[in-house]
Amino acid sequence: QQQVKQSPQSLIVQKGGIPIINCAYENTAFDYFPWYQQFPGKGPALLIAIRPDVSEKKEGRFTISFNKSAKQFSLHIMDSQPGDSATYFCAASKQGSNYKLTFGKGTLLTVNP
Amino acid sequence: KAGVTQTPRYLIKTRGQQVTLSCSPISGHRSVSWYQQTPGQGLQFLFEYFSETQRNKGNFPGRFSGRQFSNSRSEMNVSTLELGDSALYLCASRLGQNTEAFFGQGTRLTVV
Repeated sequence: QQQVKQSPQSLIVQKGGIPIINCAYENTAFDYFPWYQQFPGKGPALLIAIRPDVSEKKEGRFTISFNKSAKQFSLHIMDSQPGDSATYFCAASKQGSNYKLTFGKGTLLTVNP
Repeated sequence: KAGVTQTPRYLIKTRGQQVTLSCSPISGHRSVSWYQQTPGQGLQFLFEYFSETQRNKGNFPGRFSGRQFSNSRSEMNVSTLELGDSALYLCASRLGQNTEAFFGQGTRLTVV
C-alpha cells in the first residue's frame, strides 16, 4: 500500500520556468511533510518541510503549498535553474517516538538551459 | 560540522554472504534511521534506533538487523544476501523527536 503518491514521475522545464510536483497522502496521522532533493551518487538532502498548521511555506525559491482537507501538498520551484536538475522526493511522517519517513516514488526534474 | 558518514561507500558481495554497513551520525544526534533505496521500490524504511534501542521497524525480513552503540554510531547487518538486496542503503540522523532527518551519501551494495 503506497501511502504517499507523487506525480509526475518526470518533468522537463526551461530555465526560469516553475516546475510543480504534487503529492497526496492517505494517513491522516501524518503531521510532518518534508521535501528532499537528491543528486546522482548522493544521499537525499532536506529542502524544505511543512507542518499541517500552515498552508504555505517559502524558503528562497522553494515553496510548499499544503491542503489539509484534500490531503495534498506540492512543491513549487520559482525561477528554476539547470542546477536544480535532480530527483525530488516528498515524504510524510508522524512525529514522536513512532517516527519513520514514508516517501513518494520521486520526480526526476530536468531544467534545460 | 561534519555530516552523516556512511562506510563503505561501495560494496560487492556474493549471494549467501553477509554484510555489515556502518553509519556515524551528526555529532550530538541520538536517532539513527536506515532506508533502502531501489529503482523499483524507491526509499523504504528499515528501522530506527534511539539511545541504543530499536524504536521502529519496517516491513523487511529478519535477515535485516541493526544496532546502535553508546556513541550513537549504528551498524546494519544483512545476512544470507539475495540478489534483490542490491540497493543504496541510506542512513539518516536526527537530533531528537520532532527534528529534521539528515541523510548520509549511502552505501551502494551490489550482490552478485
